[in-house]
Amino acid sequence: AQKITQTQPGMFVQEKEAVTLDCTYDTSDPSYGLFWYKQPSSGEMIFLIYQGSYDQQNATEGRYSLNFQKARKSANLVISASQLGDSAMYFCAMREGDAGNNRKLIWGLGTSLAVNP
Amino acid sequence: DTGVSQDPRHKITKRGQNVTFRCDPISEHNRLYWYRQTLGQGPEFLTYFQNEAQLEKSRLLSDRFSAERPKGSFSTLEIQRTEQGDSAMYLCASSLGSLNTEAFFGQGTRLTVV
Repeated sequence: AQKITQTQPGMFVQEKEAVTLDCTYDTSDPSYGLFWYKQPSSGEMIFLIYQGSYDQQNATEGRYSLNFQKARKSANLVISASQLGDSAMYFCAMREGDAGNNRKLIWGLGTSLAVNP
Repeated sequence: DTGVSQDPRHKITKRGQNVTFRCDPISEHNRLYWYRQTLGQGPEFLTYFQNEAQLEKSRLLSDRFSAERPKGSFSTLEIQRTEQGDSAMYLCASSLGSLNTEAFFGQGTRLTVV
């Protein structure tokens, strides 16, 4: 079973508008972390935002915010005021706390975002 | 320190040849990870080092793959007798290793096996 599900292969948004990228996850571990990364065409993975399973408030980082709904096991990324430079692949990833000491990331398939001028 | 660096950025090789990639992590990071990413997919975990010790290897890592991290600094990933199915982006990441710290990634090495 997929541990990270991103159901939107591609999304379009008009410049300056907000967009929500969906992510649902599956874990039985009470302690976990959720990450969003951006991957432009150059290939580098760029960290955007983190949400811990015990965090009471939704994470925010500048124009990025994470809509964390623990009971629904969803961690959607909201990008406000989209810019042309936001066009990229976006990946949701999870790190499970009790899965040994590995701390590896488990990834979704990604969502390709295109920002239209 | 400017971040994680990987070398080379691109590698084209003939099937059956050996290739080696290098990753230089952020200097104070004790954890180093290798991931593989094929077209249209998210990254898949390959292996993990804590300092110089290789503590976990994915089942994806066949016996043609070997990774080292001598002295707990840079790491190398070698693929022997390359196959076309090895064509992918190989990503290296380093982190401090607690649950809530992000992993920092290099720009990857794109391998094409012809």
